[in-house]
Amino acid sequence: AQRVTQPEKLLSVFKGAPVELKCNYSYSGSPELFWYVQYSRQRLQLLLRHISRESIKGFTADLNKGETSFHLKKPFAQEEDSAMYYCALSGRFSGGYNKLIFGAGTRLAVHP
Amino acid sequence: NAGVTQTPKFRILKIGQSMTLQCTQDMNHNYMYWYRQDPGMGLKLIYYSVGAGITDKGEVPNGYNVSRSTTEDFPLRLELAAPSQTSVYFCATLQGNLGYTFGSGTRLTVV
Repeated sequence: AQRVTQPEKLLSVFKGAPVELKCNYSYSGSPELFWYVQYSRQRLQLLLRHISRESIKGFTADLNKGETSFHLKKPFAQEEDSAMYYCALSGRFSGGYNKLIFGAGTRLAVHP
Repeated sequence: NAGVTQTPKFRILKIGQSMTLQCTQDMNHNYMYWYRQDPGMGLKLIYYSVGAGITDKGEVPNGYNVSRSTTEDFPLRLELAAPSQTSVYFCATLQGNLGYTFGSGTRLTVV
């Protein structure tokens, strides 16, 4: 079954510490993976997509097909990074149409 | 372009009441989606549409209905509101490789 797993509900770090938000997926086809960020009471914003291989706000994520993972990393966390982060998988599911399925989310709290 | 617009932003309903959550987009995207967001559960897909006149169920469709008479509008209808439908609802669109665009959400409380 198609699934996105984010094992940590909360990740709490101090400013300047490295951050890694974990994401594992299960999908039989060729996945397209995303990280979305949601700041307090705002809409979801696209942070990264694996096909672009870019770094946004200092965050990077590499797709590891062998481990079926797409972990989000940042070497030095900032207080403004505090938010809810969702890993998501886009693919063609039953019916042949594109859908986006989400993990449960990880709340990142960066303390001064 | 306004992108994806959702109304209302907030609503309190009594059990058994009905309402329609509106979603409008001005990007001419074919795919539109309704999600609900519950704490610790992520976002669950309620319904989606691949174009005007075509809709299909997502993971959690029970208690909801949708219609897609135009490309721009994708309203979500709750006929008999229940406390379990208290949630934040997000509408989203997709067009090709441009990715998904989300609305700002509707926070619904059923009491």
